[in-house]
Amino acid sequence: SAVISQKPSRDICQRGTSLTIQCQVDSQVTMMFWYRQQPGQSLTLIATANQGSEATYESGFVIDKFPISRPNLTFSTLTVSNMSPEDSSIYLCSVGLAGAYEQYFGPGTRLTVT
Amino acid sequence: GQQLNQSPQSMFIQEGEDVSMNCTSSSIFNTWLWYKQDPGEGPVLLIALYKAGELTSNGRLTAQFGITRKDSFLNISASIPSDVGIYFCAGQTPNANTGNQFYFGTGTSLTVIP
Repeated sequence: SAVISQKPSRDICQRGTSLTIQCQVDSQVTMMFWYRQQPGQSLTLIATANQGSEATYESGFVIDKFPISRPNLTFSTLTVSNMSPEDSSIYLCSVGLAGAYEQYFGPGTRLTVT
Repeated sequence: GQQLNQSPQSMFIQEGEDVSMNCTSSSIFNTWLWYKQDPGEGPVLLIALYKAGELTSNGRLTAQFGITRKDSFLNISASIPSDVGIYFCAGQTPNANTGNQFYFGTGTSLTVIP
């Protein structure tokens, strides 16, 4: 498995501002993913962030709203831009291991937008 | 994106009872994964299954990869209070753009009554 940390663990932000979430892994991984989880709901994939290529966004998510950086094999950031209350959610990063057939998750960032 | 159907949606059981839950899909998967998520935490991988028909155990947990590759099952024997949480299944399939694609189930909420 892998040890994955996220910062911040939680934040309360004003409408219209942006927040950058960091994800750090204790080993080099090729595949990293960013998910959103609404309270009581399942996980929704925002984008896949493979090192050395542009992030691939899922339908309904765009780069202008959720820009992602992947500068190396142990780190990634997700920015939630121009936030609205609808962006209040838990944001999770994960990594693909074991030939990328398994995913391991970070502890999540709980975001509240007021 | 595709979402896997999990049932039951929620369960309330007495401590010591066995638990069964399942996950179904209209598509086939190469890997099935089962996760447990505690409140305020990221999902934790419990069991990974790689072959149709495979039966794998992790302590009191046993999971099976359905022979059609479209379903999977998770059993918990002799439940204890710390089994409380939300259980998610996930299916993995190749993706030409990102390498691997993961689809998550709708979740089963488990409550264990002491």
